[in-house]
Amino acid sequence: SYELTQPPSVSVSPGQTARITCSGDALPKQYAYWYQQKPGQAPVLVIYKDSERPSGIPERFSGSSSGTTVTLTISGVQAEDEADYYCQSADSSGTYEVFGGGTKLTVL
Amino acid sequence: QVQLVQSGAEVKKPGASVKVSCKASGYTFTSYDINWVRQATGQGLEWMGWMNPNSGNTGYAQKFQGRVTMTRNTSISTAYMELSSLRSEDTAVYYCARVAGIAVAGIDYWGQGTLVTVSS
Repeated sequence: SYELTQPPSVSVSPGQTARITCSGDALPKQYAYWYQQKPGQAPVLVIYKDSERPSGIPERFSGSSSGTTVTLTISGVQAEDEADYYCQSADSSGTYEVFGGGTKLTVL
Repeated sequence: QVQLVQSGAEVKKPGASVKVSCKASGYTFTSYDINWVRQATGQGLEWMGWMNPNSGNTGYAQKFQGRVTMTRNTSISTAYMELSSLRSEDTAVYYCARVAGIAVAGIDYWGQGTLVTVSS
């Protein structure tokens, strides 16, 4: 079955830039979506269609795509950005969706 | 405002079935797909499948095919997810989630989650 691979953890100091990657063979064909999840809460969409930002999401969140890897970048990380981040995409046929394993962002 | 309100927590024995409901309000229920996603404690998100509330068409993750059924009642704007042959590994929070329109296509609204505990 199709899989998306994320690093388990990323750590950055406040004000620095955090980059979280997500790799999958079908990513050149399928859009990726990124969600932020804080403890005890439902996920929140922070990036859609690889690089678009929903209304209400701070400009410091951005997304990019290159080949089989998509990247969520958080510029000028703030303490409130500490959370789990998940990528989501579909397999090459577009039939099945899948989430990456998640990345825990720690703000030092 | 858009809301997805799910049914309450359930405790089931191994081998039993569970049916979780998800009542939508604040938008036209038949205009947006519903996904079901689960999350075991301390674990990641797991996509289970989708349903088109207008047509009733569904698509299930291979892992759950044969055990999951997604249905809806359009007269009361409610989606359902039934999982059968429960085992301890199915203990998780189950979310219904609305897929945004084609311009976005990600999940823009989530239910509050329903904890399903499978224990003998």
